[in-house]
Amino acid sequence: QITLKESGPTLVKPTQTLTLTCTFSGFSLSTSGVGVGWIRQPPGKALEWLALIYWDDAKRYSPSLKSRLTITKDTSKNQVVLRMTNMDPVDTATYYCAHGVRFFGSGTYWHFDLWGRGTLVTISS
Amino acid sequence: SYEVTQPPSVSVSPGQTASITCSGDKLGDKYAYWYQQKPGQSPVLVIYQDIKRPSGIPERFSGSNSGNTATLTISGTQAMDEADYYCQAWDSSTGGVFGGGTKLTVL
Repeated sequence: QITLKESGPTLVKPTQTLTLTCTFSGFSLSTSGVGVGWIRQPPGKALEWLALIYWDDAKRYSPSLKSRLTITKDTSKNQVVLRMTNMDPVDTATYYCAHGVRFFGSGTYWHFDLWGRGTLVTISS
Repeated sequence: SYEVTQPPSVSVSPGQTASITCSGDKLGDKYAYWYQQKPGQSPVLVIYQDIKRPSGIPERFSGSNSGNTATLTISGTQAMDEADYYCQAWDSSTGGVFGGGTKLTVL
């Protein structure tokens, strides 16, 4: 059974750096074709994909946020960490981590079949 | 960057068929994924690779994808299907892309 759980601060001041940890079980991030992604959702708004780390340590970032994001993994601890710099009130959102699945079609495609419960992060002074 | 667009809302009567569309440039050449999100809950994958249903998802959920439009169809819609639905695509340049979400109301 795959489970994921997000942890980190609930309140962050503007300009500070947010560090979130996704702790997972039921799969290994060293297995080919597996990834862990981060997605966020501002209150009352849509989902927004942020980042994805692959089993082989390759990383993909949202182009609009790439300069602010860093995703890393610790396979031995079954954890993935997301860092986002220079936080602003507009970054207030529920942040989800999710199990990523790769599919080879005419190209390579990823989706997220299982999600954590999310953690609400508020940016305020 | 790649984008997909959904209607903000769709209404359906109980027992009828609901169709939610997702539009993007040559979306049919990629794959569409659909997530259901009920208030206060995490998203749940209901359709992957255009037409496939994960284990545990009722047969009344189906999908299609051709040209520039993917469609999530819910046949015999039930009150429990009332939720927000998001489509997602994966683009080689942009990465993960979610639509703006569609609120399905079962009247």
